[in-house]
Amino acid sequence: DGGITQSPKYLFRKEGQNVTLSCEQNLNHDAMYWYRQDPGQGLRLIYYSQIVNDFQKGDIAEGYSVSREKKESFPLTVTSAQKNPTAFYLCASKRQAESYEQYFGPGTRLTVT
Amino acid sequence: GENVEQHPSTLSVQEGDSAVIKCTYSDSASNYFPWYKQELGKGPQLIIDIRSNVGEKKDQRIAVTLNKTAKHFSLHITETQPEDSAVYFCAAKLPRGTSYGKLTFGQGTILTVHP
Repeated sequence: DGGITQSPKYLFRKEGQNVTLSCEQNLNHDAMYWYRQDPGQGLRLIYYSQIVNDFQKGDIAEGYSVSREKKESFPLTVTSAQKNPTAFYLCASKRQAESYEQYFGPGTRLTVT
Repeated sequence: GENVEQHPSTLSVQEGDSAVIKCTYSDSASNYFPWYKQELGKGPQLIIDIRSNVGEKKDQRIAVTLNKTAKHFSLHITETQPEDSAVYFCAAKLPRGTSYGKLTFGQGTILTVHP
């Protein structure tokens, strides 16, 4: 059963703590993406990776970090430098960077208090 | 960069009616326009897409039309059903060489289909 998994579904953290969100895909896709979704807004791109060991900043990368050590995994760390970390985080992937269709995981809702 | 505007923000219809959601984009170089359906608490699901060399595409009850001259595209859902109730997002993609092929999303439309 191929797809994108994100864990956990809900995550709670205290302000000032770093937290890492997991994203795994078994679709053999090269490109992976992280988006942030806030109520009433579209999806905004945080980071993307077109290939293993390479990643680039998106539109709202400040306060976030990523790694891409394996093709199937693209974890996102929300650091204490992120001013408003509470949001719904979505991971996505594409077969190749040049491909058109992009598929999303189920998301992780992060709440920081 | 690209900018995508989506209207309306909310849409309420009776079961069996049609629903139309419209998006406009700013950059005429955009070449790919997908539509996503997002149910509460879930990730967006790709439901239909269209490339810039096509004017219309249909898949059962849903269709997408593209007007490149006016730079707008629309999602049409016919014979709506309560399970069509969700948030719908449009997006536009510039060619990879200009923007690493990223998707720019509209703000979303909350569609409610009343039984």
